[in-house]
Parts: sequence; structure tokens; C-alpha cells
Amino acid sequence: DAMVIQNPRYQVTQFGKPVTLSCSQTLNHNVMYWYQQKSSQAPKLLFHYYDKDFNNEADTPDNFQSRRPNTSFCFLDIRSPGLGDAAMYLCATSRAPGADTQYFGPGTRLTVL
Amino acid sequence: AQKITQTQPGMFVQEKEAVTLDCTYDTSDQSYGLFWYKQPSSGEMIFLIYQGSYDEQNATEGRYSLNFQKARKSANLVISASQLGDSAMYFCAMSLRRGSNYKLTFGKGTLLTVNP
Repeated sequence: DAMVIQNPRYQVTQFGKPVTLSCSQTLNHNVMYWYQQKSSQAPKLLFHYYDKDFNNEADTPDNFQSRRPNTSFCFLDIRSPGLGDAAMYLCATSRAPGADTQYFGPGTRLTVL
Repeated sequence: AQKITQTQPGMFVQEKEAVTLDCTYDTSDQSYGLFWYKQPSSGEMIFLIYQGSYDEQNATEGRYSLNFQKARKSANLVISASQLGDSAMYFCAMSLRRGSNYKLTFGKGTLLTVNP
């Protein structure tokens, strides 16, 4: 089945140790998004790629970076994780920006020790 | 400012009964999209239903229907014949254009519990 896949599902890292989260999709969608969702809160958009064009949200900390080497894969890099970065990280895709439906992966739950 | 409001932090419903989850939105844009997502405790956001601002008919998808009242700026989700597996967090979201980009803004969610 076509889907959005996130690896790993659970990630534990140490304070300040860089970590990379992975997202892949078999939907051949043009747009890929990364959201941060803290406990009992709504998802918050960090950034998105429309094809190769990177679009950062104004309030996304510099500590968060992203790479999209090809259509299928997108990575979230956290350069120096702090305790406040512990959260669920959700990847989503859509065919196009706009009112097009976003399809989400299962998420990666990040713990920072 | 554009925003989504879900006024029910939690809702309870008996199995096999219908339930309505409220959502109101605030925007001056004419073109927008409204979505409902379900998030079980496992964390995955599952797309349920979509309503475009120009759609005249209310959207339906199986047991889910969206009661769209444009003048009141409300987009309530109706779940008919609730099942135990419907217990989850439900998010209402709105897609708006911002310059050359689009952004999906979520409400705070409603936690639905279906009782046997």
C-alpha cells in the first residue's frame, strides 16, 4: 500500500547530541512537511518542501534543519537537542500545496535525556 | 488572525450512538479548506474528511459527515453509530494560503471516549 513511513518510531538521544529523523513516502507527492507535536497539544508546522523548494516557518528554531535528497525521502535534523525538543515528530505529504489533503506518517517519538 | 476553535476538550458517547464534535474557524479568506483528523493513542494522524469553502454540499465519508455552515463559520464533525475504536483525539484543521505557501492550522483537539 502507498504510505508515509517514519523511522524510527521511537528515538532516544542525549542532551546536545545531534539526531536525525527519517521520513519516506510511496505516494509520489510533491510536498513533504515536518510537524512537532508536544503532549496534549496540536501539531505545529516546522517547515515543508515543495519539490526542492524549502519553506521554513518563521518561528522554527535554527536548531532544526531539513533535507530532501529526492522525492521519496525527507529528513529532520536536530543539531543540538534540548529537553524542550522532546515531542512527537510527524511527517506528512500532499500532492500539492493548498487545500490538498495531507497524509501523515505514524510519527517518531523523541526522548531527550 | 486566522484560527480554529474546538470548544470541547473531551466528549463521551455511548457505543452505537451518534456524536457531534464542534469546530469553528475564523478567517477573512474566501478560499480555504477544512479537514478533520483522528489521532489514536498510537500517535498517527488519520485523515477523515475534507470540505472546501466553495463546496455547497456537506462532505460525507462513511460514518463521518461534516456539517458545514459557512455563514456561522462552523465545520462540525458528526460520527454516526459510534464504535469503541472511535475513541481518540480529533483535530479540526484549516488550510489557508499565505503568499506563495499554504499552511494547515489545527485546533486544540477534542478527546472522544466511546463507552460500551
